[in-house]
Amino acid sequence: AQTVTQSQPEMSVQEAETVTLSCTYDTSENNYYLFWYKQPPSRQMILVIRQEAYKQQNATENRFSVNFQKAAKSFSLKISDSQLGDTAMYFCAFMNPNAGNMLTFGGGTRLMVKP
Amino acid sequence: EAQVTQNPRYLITVTGKKLTVTCSQNMNHEYMSWYRQDPGLGLRQIYYSMNVEATDKGDVPEGYKVSRKEKRNFPLILESPSPNQTSLYFCASSPRGLWRGDPSYNEQFFGPGTRLTVL
Repeated sequence: AQTVTQSQPEMSVQEAETVTLSCTYDTSENNYYLFWYKQPPSRQMILVIRQEAYKQQNATENRFSVNFQKAAKSFSLKISDSQLGDTAMYFCAFMNPNAGNMLTFGGGTRLMVKP
Repeated sequence: EAQVTQNPRYLITVTGKKLTVTCSQNMNHEYMSWYRQDPGLGLRQIYYSMNVEATDKGDVPEGYKVSRKEKRNFPLILESPSPNQTSLYFCASSPRGLWRGDPSYNEQFFGPGTRLTVL
């Protein structure tokens, strides 16, 4: 079974600065997918970024990028130029495509962006 | 608009009173799933469905039932709710359940959530 760990329950960052959220996971699979989801106060789950394990290149989506270290089983999210709208709960998630679509989530990191 | 809808959005009930949370998607997705979200635990899968009449247990199925009689609907049933089922519930769907080589087929779209309180 896979496990996903987010070791930072809460973080804060000043507006316009950069913050990195940590995520580690444990799996014996070689092919899998990793995701970061954002959950703002509205509670909606929003996909921020996705990384395929077979790709060495780190995924980027505008101000969001990841640092994927497969050997270390680490998948951190970097948010550049933080904005007030980035205030949310962030969840790291793992999916083994050979085991159906089940997402295994970490416990979440609550990010506060301060003006 | 393509979406996953859940009803009700908020529900307060008492122990033992049967309830159903509905989930519907208008994207013709094969795969549907229910998760519950609890503080510090993230989201955990309750049940999932690969297609009509095909359901299976996730990580935390105890105390829940589901059915998939139509492709668009996937209700979550609590026959005898207990206080430990107080949680935030999410329904999700994706185009496919089985791996097809393109991650976009398996990307999950989430509903808005249902906040359930069992007294």
